[in-house]
Amino acid sequence: SQQGEEDPQALSIQEGENATMNCSYKTSINNLQWYRQNSGRGLVHLILIRSNEREKHSGRLRVTLDTSKKSSSLLITASRAADTASYFCATVGWGGSNYKLTFGKGTLLTVNP
Amino acid sequence: NAGVTQTPKFRVLKTGQSMTLLCAQDMNHEYMYWYRQDPGMGLRLIHYSVGEGTTAKGEVPDGYNVSRLKKQNFLLGLESAAPSQTSVYFCASNLGLHEQYFGPGTRLTVT
Repeated sequence: SQQGEEDPQALSIQEGENATMNCSYKTSINNLQWYRQNSGRGLVHLILIRSNEREKHSGRLRVTLDTSKKSSSLLITASRAADTASYFCATVGWGGSNYKLTFGKGTLLTVNP
Repeated sequence: NAGVTQTPKFRVLKTGQSMTLLCAQDMNHEYMYWYRQDPGMGLRLIHYSVGEGTTAKGEVPDGYNVSRLKKQNFLLGLESAAPSQTSVYFCASNLGLHEQYFGPGTRLTVT
């Protein structure tokens, strides 16, 4: 079963605007990761946030994690047409499942020039 | 480094045929994974391996078998293909709790 659920399923914005995607999950996690997938391609890792971290930045990306609400958000600032892609959150659990990623269904982001 | 490579890129099978998908990584990663991705879905884990000679079932293992005879290779087999196995298959590898590195995918159609 899917662990993460992204919201919204699809998002369309203009170049230069910010894009925010949300992810909710169900069980306790070791870390949460965000991936990008361009159409017809493999997934590319964007950022990893550990369960004891609340916020992390990487370039134009900002990720937050609220373990009390079991949710995370990915913010892309000053979006570009090249950011058009599907974005997935994925969680890593504890114990016996501590190396397996469980993916959500993704958010399709379209950035219009 | 080539990273994670997958062979073949595309394949069309008839129902009942068999095939093997090959995944290779040159990063000396211990862990390797096979996923399938269907339209509107995230990736679902089929099988994984935590080291050479080991394999384990993931979320959707039925109809698939795997082998990890060498650390750098992870093979996914379909013994008797079914239309429900039409999908895009991704291989990935990593060092455990860290990010996974994905291959470009294999698009499989079963008619």
